[in-house]
Amino acid sequence: GDSVTQMEGPVTLSEEACLTINCTYTATGYPSLFWYVQYPGEGLQLLLKATKADDKGSNKGFEATYRKETTSFHLEKGSVQVSDSAVYFCALAKTSYDKVIFGPGTSLSVIP
Amino acid sequence: EAEVAQSPRYKITEKSQAVAFWCDPISGHATLYWYRQILGQGPELLVQFQDESVVDDSQLPKDRFSAERLKGVDSTLKIQPAELGDSAMYLCASSFATTGSGNTIYFGEGSWLTVV
Repeated sequence: GDSVTQMEGPVTLSEEACLTINCTYTATGYPSLFWYVQYPGEGLQLLLKATKADDKGSNKGFEATYRKETTSFHLEKGSVQVSDSAVYFCALAKTSYDKVIFGPGTSLSVIP
Repeated sequence: EAEVAQSPRYKITEKSQAVAFWCDPISGHATLYWYRQILGQGPELLVQFQDESVVDDSQLPKDRFSAERLKGVDSTLKIQPAELGDSAMYLCASSFATTGSGNTIYFGEGSWLTVV
């Protein structure tokens, strides 16, 4: 079945360090891909999305490029802040449904 | 900005008791979802509604869970009887439409359930 795999956490970085969180997917067809962020004690918020191959989603300094050839959607940020500390979920949604399938999440802690 | 409303925010219940969660999606959103998130894991879909109809409840434990969206607006998720393994966060979400892909899904803040 369709699935999403993410790099295991937790990830701990110093402020202003570069971030990469790897995400790969398995799905038939051409899914849309998403990154959601969950701050402590809160629900999920959409961070960015891409709906077709080679699209780049970006928001708040984060970006991810839909790579069909490697079935990947890695999340990157050039300089992280303490306020970026959260759990990040990679997800996909199929074209014929609207069901969103989430990865297990990657916890990020940014220390001053 | 419009939000998905959920209540209660926190619920502690004893094993074998009944518990219910309520969700009010963003106005105009036809699709409503209930997800369960166990601590340290990603959310898993329990049930998806299109208006008042269930379109996917394949992962809903129907012997103890039920969900309804009678008028196609707000929704209730019920657990009876609750078991210790039901302790999790229950997330409601909504989206404008189901056709095609890439529709943004908006989540509520979630309802934390602890079964003791």
